[in-house]
Amino acid sequence: EAGVTQSPTHLIKTRGQQATLRCSPISGHTSVYWYQQALGLGLQFLLWYDEGEERNRGNFPPRFSGRQFPNYSSELNVNALELEDSALYLCASSPGTTYNEQFFGPGTRLTVL
Amino acid sequence: AQSVTQLDSQVPVFEEAPVELRCNYSSSVSVYLFWYVQYPNQGLQLLLKYLSGSTLVKGINGFEAEFNKSQTSFHLRKPSVHISDTAEYFCAVSDPHSGGGADGLTFGKGTHLIIQP
Repeated sequence: EAGVTQSPTHLIKTRGQQATLRCSPISGHTSVYWYQQALGLGLQFLLWYDEGEERNRGNFPPRFSGRQFPNYSSELNVNALELEDSALYLCASSPGTTYNEQFFGPGTRLTVL
Repeated sequence: AQSVTQLDSQVPVFEEAPVELRCNYSSSVSVYLFWYVQYPNQGLQLLLKYLSGSTLVKGINGFEAEFNKSQTSFHLRKPSVHISDTAEYFCAVSDPHSGGGADGLTFGKGTHLIIQP
């Protein structure tokens, strides 16, 4: 069974640009979570999508947004990039059962210059 | 809001020695608890989880953890570590009543396990 996949592996952008990160969940999983792992800040919950809808978001500004497609894959968009957006962005999927076991992808390393 | 405290940011241990990585959480209600491992330049891999039942949970790679409700702790242990165990270890908690992950997982800041030969 294929795991969670993310693309691209690395992404280099300049301040003010937009970044798009992609995630494909494990087959059969309907929930997708996005986390930011920034140096010194640990792992922070960004967004949760389930059945195509945004269900919840963490304490991040609106320029962090995304969507979930009918095949349950997901996209994270970061607009007006700032230097502090440089981080590893991790995607996780869950079968959407009552407990929250999440399976993580390898991440996308975003560098903002 | 829940919080997770991993008291040690770094734990150096000699190879084949035992290790304990400490984790405390803040919630006074029922919780689900997880330990994840992150090898360099990789995503997170689930080591073990506590949902209910036996307080001693066995995971992959010889790791185990004990849920202690009175002390709100979920410490991770391994009786004999190997060089390949060098990694970052994250404790995480979630609320079983949050309706399928409403708040995501709340992670501790991680403990870097350094195995010395």
